[in-house]
Amino acid sequence: NAGVTQTPKFQVLKTGQSMTLQCAQDMNHNSMYWYRQDPGMGLRLIYYSASEGTTDKGEVPNGYNVSRLNKREFSLRLESAAPSQTSVYFCASRLQGEETQYFGPGTRLLVL
Amino acid sequence: QQQVKQSPQSLIVQKGGIPIINCAYENTAFDYFPWYQQFPGKGPALLIAIRPDVSEKKEGRFTISFNKSAKQFSLHIMDSQPGDSATYFCAASSGSNYQLIWGAGTKLIIKP
Repeated sequence: NAGVTQTPKFQVLKTGQSMTLQCAQDMNHNSMYWYRQDPGMGLRLIYYSASEGTTDKGEVPNGYNVSRLNKREFSLRLESAAPSQTSVYFCASRLQGEETQYFGPGTRLLVL
Repeated sequence: QQQVKQSPQSLIVQKGGIPIINCAYENTAFDYFPWYQQFPGKGPALLIAIRPDVSEKKEGRFTISFNKSAKQFSLHIMDSQPGDSATYFCAASSGSNYQLIWGAGTKLIIKP
């Protein structure tokens, strides 16, 4: 099992460019999450998907969109990147009825 | 009321010492309190978790102490080792959706 995988590992964008961060899990988990991690601020939830076909906003959704493509995949899209979106982005998944979230290795995004 | 406040921001301890990381919360509906460990360049991983019906939980060298009346919980690492050097996050959630509210993190360095 690969667990939770994320691509790309690192990306540099110019302000205004768009990109999609990919996340996939092979653990048959129902719920999937996108977080951003900034120094001194912990992890902040951007969007989550409780199950295939549903998505909901988290604490900091502005400037982002998500797609739950199927049970395995949950993508995060930046339509027009801004320097404030420079961060490390983590995807996580969780099996319904269990508490533990399993995290991917992260995507480091730099917006110039 | 949704915040989880974590301290200290950073901590340096000699090998064999007992680092203690503290978290405080306001929302009395929180009923699940995990600690996650994150090594550089990796995603967070669950270390240990507690529910408010017990005051202490031990797993190996890691102990959570929970004070429901004070709305505080803490992580203690016994016989700390350089390999414990990592960033530690506390979190809290309520209900069955396990939507975590995260502390800001503590960067722990264990000196040999």
